[in-house]
Amino acid sequence: AQKITQTQPGMFVQEKEAVTLDCTYDTSDPSYGLFWYKQPSSGEMIFLIYQGSYDQQNATEGRYSLNFQKARKSANLVISASQLGDSAMYFCAMRSLNDYKLSFGAGTTVTVRA
Amino acid sequence: NAGVMQNPRHLVRRRGQEARLRCSPMKGHSHVYWYRQLPEEGLKFMVYLQKENIIDESGMPKERFSAEFPKEGPSILRIQQVVRGDSAAYFCASSPAGPNQPQHFGDGTRLSIL
Repeated sequence: AQKITQTQPGMFVQEKEAVTLDCTYDTSDPSYGLFWYKQPSSGEMIFLIYQGSYDQQNATEGRYSLNFQKARKSANLVISASQLGDSAMYFCAMRSLNDYKLSFGAGTTVTVRA
Repeated sequence: NAGVMQNPRHLVRRRGQEARLRCSPMKGHSHVYWYRQLPEEGLKFMVYLQKENIIDESGMPKERFSAEFPKEGPSILRIQQVVRGDSAAYFCASSPAGPNQPQHFGDGTRLSIL
């Protein structure tokens, strides 16, 4: 079974600063993918970034980067230069390579202050 | 809009009625997934379908819930004889075939049971 843990229920960050959202996972599968999604107050789920377990480099997508530490089983999301529009709930999720269902963490609420 | 389309966005039903939730995947996506999100929680996998086939329904409640993805038309999640505990946001996602393809989500259907 896979388990995703997000220990920060809520975080505040000042506009233009960076914020790191923690995510640890537990799996016995050798190959897997890690995903981050954003859920604003309007409710939709927006795919942000993906990291494969065998990828040599940490994934980056614009202001989003993933700090992947395989030995520690962590996949923290870093949002740089925070904007007011980044205020949302953020979910970490994973899926093993030979599976298709995503397992989600409980989420972290980020509030960006002006 | 080439994204995953879900309708209705909001659905209100009385206890005992039936709820039908529709999902049209992104163009070119052959895999459809349904997830349920209870208040203040992450998403939980329900069912995975391909055209005319249910591949994995391990997350579906044993009774009252069913899903289909016909050859023509959208995928349907059907809940019969709804109860208060069915109140949740139901998300549909789609992906192309292949390992670790990101799942792209629709905006969800918020189901409220009176």
